[in-house]
Amino acid sequence: TQLLEQSPQFLSIQEGENLTVYCNSSSVFSSLQWYRQEPGEGPVLLVTVVTGGEVKKLKRLTFQFGDARKDSSLHITAAQPGDTGLYLCAGLNTGTASKLTFGTGTRLQVTL
Amino acid sequence: EPEVTQTPSHQVTQMGQEVILRCVPISNHLYFYWYRQILGQKVEFLVSFYNNEISEKSEIFDDQFSVERPDGSNFTLKIRSTKLEDSAMYFCASKLSSYEQYFGPGTRLTVT
Repeated sequence: TQLLEQSPQFLSIQEGENLTVYCNSSSVFSSLQWYRQEPGEGPVLLVTVVTGGEVKKLKRLTFQFGDARKDSSLHITAAQPGDTGLYLCAGLNTGTASKLTFGTGTRLQVTL
Repeated sequence: EPEVTQTPSHQVTQMGQEVILRCVPISNHLYFYWYRQILGQKVEFLVSFYNNEISEKSEIFDDQFSVERPDGSNFTLKIRSTKLEDSAMYFCASKLSSYEQYFGPGTRLTVT
């Protein structure tokens, strides 16, 4: 069974601070996706990383895929209250019809 | 921007009753998925569907579950005889090819 562990589980920070969320596995994934989920809603895709060592930026968010494609990180610079939410990583197994294996999630709260 | 839609947003049913959850995937997508999320837990894969057949299913997807694509636009999940433990958010997802899966807003199923 493939598992994705995210850390920390909860993070409460003040506006303007930087933070990093980690997503770790002992398994190799063909790609890794980051989603954000609001309460009572579906996950919304933020980014997909495919190549080992790949770095992608989305405004103040920086995503990195580990060289061995087993782990990933999400770094947020100068967090804002609008960044509050549940961040999920999800690994895609090989094969085009394959399922996503979701991480345990990191709940972020950014206060003024 | 095209999006996955799901109906109903909330379904309440009694134990032992049949329910059908409906999804309209993004129109040109080829791969379709159902996931579920029990309250407070992580998103879990149920089933993937491609070329009018199931391509992969999880242990959760037992004989009580079935999926169908009755026409060119809808994708349904049927639970024949609901159990209390089927209470969860059910998410439909679709993708065109390769990596990115796009999720619908979910149906909250409450079994009483």
